[in-house]
Amino acid sequence: NAGVTQTPKFQVLKTGQSMTLQCAQDMNHEYMSWYRQDPGMGLRLIHYSVGAGITDQGEVPNGYNVSRSTTEDFPLRLLSAAPSQTSVYFCASSYSRLYEEYFGPGTRLTVT
Amino acid sequence: AQKVTQAQTEISVVEKEDVTLDCVYETRDTTYYLFWYKQPPSGELVFLIRRNSFDEQNEISGRYSWNFQKSTSSFNFTITASQVVDSAVYFCALSWDSNYQLIWGAGTKLIIKP
Repeated sequence: NAGVTQTPKFQVLKTGQSMTLQCAQDMNHEYMSWYRQDPGMGLRLIHYSVGAGITDQGEVPNGYNVSRSTTEDFPLRLLSAAPSQTSVYFCASSYSRLYEEYFGPGTRLTVT
Repeated sequence: AQKVTQAQTEISVVEKEDVTLDCVYETRDTTYYLFWYKQPPSGELVFLIRRNSFDEQNEISGRYSWNFQKSTSSFNFTITASQVVDSAVYFCALSWDSNYQLIWGAGTKLIIKP
């Protein structure tokens, strides 16, 4: 089992560019989520999904879109990158919201 | 409001000392779940423990132990005989039945000096 995989590991974008962060899991988990982690802060939830075709906003959704067409994949799209989106992004999955999450290795994104 | 507070931003101890990381939570729900995660310097997030609100028994796993006290809304984490490899940021988190989001504390950075 690969667990939760994320690509890319590092990315540098210019302001205004768009991109997609990929996330995939092979544990057949229904629940998936995207977090961002900024220095000195805990993780903040961007978007989550409770199953294929169902997504919802978290605490900090502005500037990001998600979709969940399959159980395995949960990509995060940055629509028009801004310096405030410089952060480390983590994708996670779990059996359900009330159980522990398994995290991908993270993507370090810098927007200049 | 639902909230998790980790008041200790950074703790530094010498190897072999015992250390306790505090976690205080707020929730209106009677059914909730508490978690601890570890983030070593390499950056990955590792699950340590999950506890539901109906189980107040303390948990011990090797050198790690957790003290859950509903009376003080705390879920503290103790490392006994700390080792350099325990150096990491430790996060406490809260979830509850009527919610689909996990609320995270800001984390405590633990530095174990040799």
